[in-house]
Amino acid sequence: EPEVTQTPSHQVTQMGQEVILRCVPISNHLYFYWYRQILGQKVEFLVSFYNNEISEKSEIFDDQFSVERPDGSNFTLKIRSTKLEDSAMYFCASKPGQGNEKLFFGSGTQLSVL
Amino acid sequence: AQSVTQPDIHITVSEGASLELRCNYSYGATPYLFWYVQSPGQGLQLLLKYFSGDTLVQGIKGFEAEFKRSQSSFNLRKPSVHWSDAAEYFCAVGAGDMRFGAGTRLTVKP
Repeated sequence: EPEVTQTPSHQVTQMGQEVILRCVPISNHLYFYWYRQILGQKVEFLVSFYNNEISEKSEIFDDQFSVERPDGSNFTLKIRSTKLEDSAMYFCASKPGQGNEKLFFGSGTQLSVL
Repeated sequence: AQSVTQPDIHITVSEGASLELRCNYSYGATPYLFWYVQSPGQGLQLLLKYFSGDTLVQGIKGFEAEFKRSQSSFNLRKPSVHWSDAAEYFCAVGAGDMRFGAGTRLTVKP
């Protein structure tokens, strides 16, 4: 089965630093997502992206966050100035179209902000 | 607004026993419903999904779930639990902007 890949698997950064989390969605997919899961809590939707623009975002996705599809394969999440509370597992996901297709999740990037 | 409630934070069952994990949802239209499983340190794996049609859906690893519109529920079941089923289980509703429940941790006793 095709996979969504995320790198790195674990990122450690200092508070206030910028981080970029990288994802390679499945090649023929058109819809891309970021979710996060703070340790011991539920998975939370951050943002959806289609046709090179954000289609929906949650209240968590404030001005410190941005997403980009810089080329035909990568989908990145940038956090401009990390805070301690940004420490979480970040999951990328993609699906082929707008309908009922299965959402494919990557294995996640564990972000630790010190 | 769409939301999901998983009333049970932690469930312990004996290996070979039956399992039912509860999920209640709130959604404005016909919901898209999902169950995901997460093993420690792992990502999310889709167990099964419901979009329409037969209200009893079969998934991987011997799991099934039943959609009951009258109860706004989508409970996950398995007739005989295996030790390898120990994990965190998440119910979710929606499409791309899915809303997840808080999860139910399943412990399997030998």
